[in-house]
Amino acid sequence: EVQLVESGGGLVQPGGSLRLSCAASGFTFSSYSMNWVRQAPGKGLEWVSYISSSSSTIYYADSVKGRFTISRDNAKNSLYLQMNSLRDEDTAVYYCARTYSGSPGAFDIWGQGTMVTVSS
Amino acid sequence: QSALTQPASVSGSPGQSITISCTGTSSDVGGYNYVSWYQQHPGKAPKLMIYDVSNRPSGVPDRFSGSKSGNTASLTISGLQAEDEADYYCSSYTSSSTLVVFGGGTKLTVL
Repeated sequence: EVQLVESGGGLVQPGGSLRLSCAASGFTFSSYSMNWVRQAPGKGLEWVSYISSSSSTIYYADSVKGRFTISRDNAKNSLYLQMNSLRDEDTAVYYCARTYSGSPGAFDIWGQGTMVTVSS
Repeated sequence: QSALTQPASVSGSPGQSITISCTGTSSDVGGYNYVSWYQQHPGKAPKLMIYDVSNRPSGVPDRFSGSKSGNTASLTISGLQAEDEADYYCSSYTSSSTLVVFGGGTKLTVL
C-alpha cells in the first residue's frame, strides 16, 4: 500500500525548534519530488516547501523562508522538515505530500498529518 | 489573504451541477496549465481531484471536470451527490519566488 506517515509534531514554545519526519512506503520514494503542506486550525491549505527527487532543487514559501529547512534521505525513504524560530502562526497540521506526474502543485498521496502547536 | 481567490461557499441540490471558480493572475493560473483541485472532508487529508487544469487521476469520477479561461480556473461537479459535500481547494504553479499557491477554499453544501 502506498503510504506516507508523518511524525514529530507537538507543543513547542515560540522561538523553539521542531523536526518533522515523513516515512514513505509502497512506492519508489527516490523517484518522486515531495512537499510539505500545512493547515492552520479552521483555515485553508498553505504550501510550505518542495524538494526534488535528488534534493538538487528546493523551494520555500515566503512565510517560512530562512526558518524552515526541507531535506530527504532516499536510503531511508524519509522526508524531513526542520523548523526553527517557530512563531504562533506556524501552528497547524503539517502534511507531507507526493508530487503527481511531475506536475507542480499536484499532490496525489498525502499523509495523515502531524499537529504542531506553538504556544507559551 | 490567499494568492488565489475562491468563493467562500457554494451550494446545490442532489443531481444538479455546480461550478467553483479560482481566480489568479498571469503569473500563476493564467500563465501555466498547472492548476489542480482538491476535495477535503472534515478531519481528513485532501484528495487530488483534478490536475493540469482538466485531467482526472485514476479513480476520480467523471462527474468532476476542470477548465480554465484566462486567469480563472473552474471546477464543475455534475450530478451532485451527498458525499460531494466537502471543502474544495485549487492550487497553481506560480512563477514567483515560491512554487505553489493555494486558493482560500470553498465549502460545498449539498442541500
